[in-house]
Amino acid sequence: DVKVTQSSRYLVKRTGEKVFLECVQDMDHENMFWYRQDPGLGLRLIYFSYDVKMKEKGDIPEGYSVSREKKERFSLILESASTNQTSMYLCASSFLGGNTEAFFGQGTRLTVV
Amino acid sequence: GENVEQHPSTLSVQEGDSAVIKCTYSDSASNYFPWYKQELGKRPQLIIDIRSNVGEKKDQRIAVTLNKTAKHFSLHITETQPEDSAVYFCAAKGTGRRALTFGSGTRLQVQP
Repeated sequence: DVKVTQSSRYLVKRTGEKVFLECVQDMDHENMFWYRQDPGLGLRLIYFSYDVKMKEKGDIPEGYSVSREKKERFSLILESASTNQTSMYLCASSFLGGNTEAFFGQGTRLTVV
Repeated sequence: GENVEQHPSTLSVQEGDSAVIKCTYSDSASNYFPWYKQELGKRPQLIIDIRSNVGEKKDQRIAVTLNKTAKHFSLHITETQPEDSAVYFCAAKGTGRRALTFGSGTRLQVQP
């Protein structure tokens, strides 16, 4: 059974804090993704990684960075949290080759106050 | 880049009726079109997908159709049940892209 696990279900942080969201997958997937989910906007890609230490910007990378030091772990970093980053964050993973299913984590609801 | 538009944003049907959700995409190179279902408080999960070499795919009560010329694809749910109530997302991906581009989602409510 595929598992993509996000470290926190709910987080409350203060404006200006540095925030780390962690994601771990156990399927040996090459690809890992961070999406942001907002009502009426669907899932928007922030960053993705196709290999250790490799990363590419998605559609909304501003204010975010990522780290992938190990194949199974992909971290999203908010360098200086702002209230407009209050959102649901979803991690996903998939195999590298072909068009294959992306498996999602349970999501982290981040509130920045 | 790819742009995916999804309609309607909300859909309410009576139990037993059919539901149709439509998506259009912009990149003619896209060749993979999955649909995800997200129940309240849960993660999105794949329910069906279609590749560009076929025009239709069925799995029990759900089906997806693809019109490559018009660049649109649709999800059809027949004999809807209350447990079909959820948010549905369409997505598209081409061989030149590593990540899915998602539509804005459709909230389906099946009234018992």
